[in-house]
Amino acid sequence: DVKVTQSSRYLVKRTGEKVFLECVQDMDHENMFWYRQDPGLGLRLIYFSYDVKMKEKGDIPEGYSVSREKKERFSLILESASTNQTSMYLCASSLRQQGVGYGYTFGSGTRLTVV
Amino acid sequence: AQSVSQHNHHVILSEAASLELGCNYSYGGTVNLFWYVQYPGQHLQLLLKYFSGDPLVKGIKGFEAEFIKSKFSFNLRKPSVQWSDTAEYFCAVKAGTGFQKLVFGTGTRLLVSP
Repeated sequence: DVKVTQSSRYLVKRTGEKVFLECVQDMDHENMFWYRQDPGLGLRLIYFSYDVKMKEKGDIPEGYSVSREKKERFSLILESASTNQTSMYLCASSLRQQGVGYGYTFGSGTRLTVV
Repeated sequence: AQSVSQHNHHVILSEAASLELGCNYSYGGTVNLFWYVQYPGQHLQLLLKYFSGDPLVKGIKGFEAEFIKSKFSFNLRKPSVQWSDTAEYFCAVKAGTGFQKLVFGTGTRLLVSP
């Protein structure tokens, strides 16, 4: 069964901490995405990557950065966590060949609480 | 920029009732359309998708959706819901051709009472 695995299901961090959220996919997908999901706001794209070492800003990149050193791994970094970054973070991947139009495969999410 | 609207934020139905969730998008060109579902505590899963051809698309678990280009709509339907359909449903659109990211709606929370 193909999978997108997010390393932590729940995280609690303190304001100002540097936070790393890890995502690994085993489907050899080229494209990877980080979203945050908030009630009433749906899914908002933070960053995405269409190749190793490539990254593109999404709709809400402020306060975040990403790293894609290997094809299967896409990390989201909160440089200095703030309470307004408390959210559910979702990682997703897709094939490039078929374009993003063929749909994403999502991970189970990481619920981050910043106190 | 393209956007997706889901006007129903919360829907409550009894088992066996019919379901229709609205989805409208703003883009005049070629679109690919998706419905995703998120059951409580689970990851987002693809319900169905439309790329071309028959505008009536059938998905998993008895769901279907109809693409009406003139109305910029892709409404999700199910003739008879079950308690297990309780979930959050997201409509998503990919606008244009080539590499484009999916744009998601704000979601609709469906509660089906037994």
